[in-house]
Amino acid sequence: GNSVTQMEGPVTLSEEAFLTINCTYTATGYPSLFWYVQYPGEGLQLLLKATKADDKGSNKGFEATYRKETTSFHLEKGSVQVSDSAVYFCALSLKDTGRRALTFGSGTRLQVQP
Amino acid sequence: ETGVTQTPRHLVMGMTNKKSLKCEQHLGHNAMYWYKQSAKKPLELMFVYNFKEQTENNSVPSRFSPECPNSSHLFLHLHTLQPEDSALYLCASSQEIVYEQYFGPGTRLTVT
Repeated sequence: GNSVTQMEGPVTLSEEAFLTINCTYTATGYPSLFWYVQYPGEGLQLLLKATKADDKGSNKGFEATYRKETTSFHLEKGSVQVSDSAVYFCALSLKDTGRRALTFGSGTRLQVQP
Repeated sequence: ETGVTQTPRHLVMGMTNKKSLKCEQHLGHNAMYWYKQSAKKPLELMFVYNFKEQTENNSVPSRFSPECPNSSHLFLHLHTLQPEDSALYLCASSQEIVYEQYFGPGTRLTVT
């Protein structure tokens, strides 16, 4: 089956530190990959996506590269801000007729301290 | 109004009550979803509708009853809930069933 594994949180960083949140996947096919972010008290927002190997998704200073050889899609940001504190979810979708569209990881909480 | 909206944002109900959650999407999408998000648990997909037809029900108890009258609206009817049903209920939509999903802000449900 399809699955997504994320690093356990919480991740606690100081402002302007470098961020990496690891995500690896297992899929019976060639998935599209996504990162979603959930700020406190809100729903999930699509942060970035990549649909084929070596694609790099980017948004708001965050980046992730689709690595087929390592089945990974790690999220990075060069300099985090307090406002980046949220829960980050890695997800995949696979065109599999009649089944769910997105498989989510368990989420990683990021706490950025001033 | 744009995106995916959900009402109410907060709901407190007793175990014998009947209530409904409403979701509306203004994106012209064809697929809609209900998720349950509980503390310290992964997101749980509950129901999937594609072109108004239910395509997935992930062993959800019958006290949760979905309704999709058209591609823009999705309801979740609740009756005789249990305290463990307290959670954030998220609605989402997507253009087609395999594309990225867009989420509403959620309804925070507390069952007393």
